[in-house]
Amino acid sequence: GAVVSQHPSWVICKSGTSVKIECRSLDFQATTMFWYRQFPKQSLMLMATSNEGSKATYEQGVEKDKFLINHASLTLSTLTVTSAHPEDSSFYICSARDRRVPINSPLHFGNGTRLTVT
Amino acid sequence: AQKVTQAQTEISVVEKEDVTLDCVYETRDTTYYLFWYKQPPSGELVFLIRRNSFDEQNEISGRYSWNFQKSTSSFNFTITASQVVDSAVYFCALSMTGGSYIPTFGRGTSLIVHP
Repeated sequence: GAVVSQHPSWVICKSGTSVKIECRSLDFQATTMFWYRQFPKQSLMLMATSNEGSKATYEQGVEKDKFLINHASLTLSTLTVTSAHPEDSSFYICSARDRRVPINSPLHFGNGTRLTVT
Repeated sequence: AQKVTQAQTEISVVEKEDVTLDCVYETRDTTYYLFWYKQPPSGELVFLIRRNSFDEQNEISGRYSWNFQKSTSSFNFTITASQVVDSAVYFCALSMTGGSYIPTFGRGTSLIVHP
C-alpha cells in the first residue's frame, strides 16, 4: 500500500530555534500534501495545503511566516517551524494525495511528529 | 459549512463487550464521503472505511460494522467483541466537492478496552 514517511518522529528543541519536519511519499507521487496539527485529546486541525511547485495555501489563523511549507518535489514536502515557542509544542501529521487515484480517495497519513519546545 | 460531531469523548469497555462510536455530520453538498480512521497510541492514522453519500448500505468487516443513515446524518461505527488492541482514538471524517475533498475531522473518540 501507499506509504508516507514522516521524519523525525519526535523532536525537542529550545525556544527560538527552527525545526524542519519532512514528509515523503515513498511509493507514489503526491501532487498535494496536507499538514495537520493535533493538540492533546483534540481533533486534527488542517494547517495548510501544499501543492508541488507552488506556494502553500494556509488555513485561516495559521501564520505562514511561522510555519514555512515547501513542496519541492512530487514526493517531498517540508514544514519548518521557525523561531519555535513552547506553544508550538504539538503533534504534527502530514498526509498525501496519490496523483494516480481519484481526488475523493482516502488520504495517506504519516506517523506524525511530536514537537516539544522547551 | 461542513462539520463532524463525535459527542463521545472517551469510552471505556471491558474486553468482549460491543461498543458503538457515534458520528453525526453536517453538509449542504449532496455528494460527499464519510470516513473512519483509527489512531493507535503510536500516532499514525489508519484508514478503516469510506462511504459515499449515495450508498447507504451498511457494511461489515470482521468485527467492525458501520451504519450509515442519511435521514439522521449519522455514520456510526460498531466494534463487536472488543479487544485490547482496539484501544485507540477513532476519528470520523467528512469530505466533499465543495471542500476539494479535504477531510474535516471530528474531535475523535478515545476507546479504552480493558482486559
